[in-house]
Amino acid sequence: SQTIHQWPATLVQPVGSPLSLECTVEGTSNPNLYWYRQAAGRGLQLLFYSVGIGQISSEVPQNLSASRPQDRQFILSSKKLLLSDSGFYLCAWSEGLAGEDTQYFGPGTRLTVL
Amino acid sequence: DQQVKQNSPSLSVQEGRISILNCDYTNSMFDYFLWYKKYPAEGPTFLISISSIKDKNEDGRFTVFLNKSAKHLSLHIVPSQPGDSAVYFCAASGMGGGSNYKLTFGKGTLLTVNP
Repeated sequence: SQTIHQWPATLVQPVGSPLSLECTVEGTSNPNLYWYRQAAGRGLQLLFYSVGIGQISSEVPQNLSASRPQDRQFILSSKKLLLSDSGFYLCAWSEGLAGEDTQYFGPGTRLTVL
Repeated sequence: DQQVKQNSPSLSVQEGRISILNCDYTNSMFDYFLWYKKYPAEGPTFLISISSIKDKNEDGRFTVFLNKSAKHLSLHIVPSQPGDSAVYFCAASGMGGGSNYKLTFGKGTLLTVNP
């Protein structure tokens, strides 16, 4: 069966510090991978998606970036965090990229920027 | 501009009664709709979905109704159980590939089922 891991579970970082969140998927090959953020009082917002190694599409302009160095690894990064980067970050995967393909979410990372 | 709206941030019901969670959408290109359930400190899990060719889909205690003309869908939980207490997200997308894949989520509704 497929599983998706994210770490760390929680993170408190000062403004201006770097960020690296990691997501890995097991039990499937060539998954489509996604990074979402849920800010306070808002719905889930798609940040990035990837259809393969080294292929990243950005949905929202921001100071975050994503990378996919391996087939089942997806990394979310920032060089300098802003207060507005606080939120709950979720990684997800799907088999297909069609609208009806179910996305499966990881446990999430709660990021607080102080 | 919110394309998927869940206007009730919270809902409280008694155990055994029906829970009805509502969702409205504005984008007429949406033709596939999903409900996700989220417990605190966990990622959302897929619950049930419906395509626009149907007006109802049922899975056990969960039923989703779609009214395309009103651009409205609802999730019914009958009977409600305390374990159903969670945040429920409505999501929508277009079917097929290309840019239609994107899921657009509502803000969520916190359901509390009281024993």
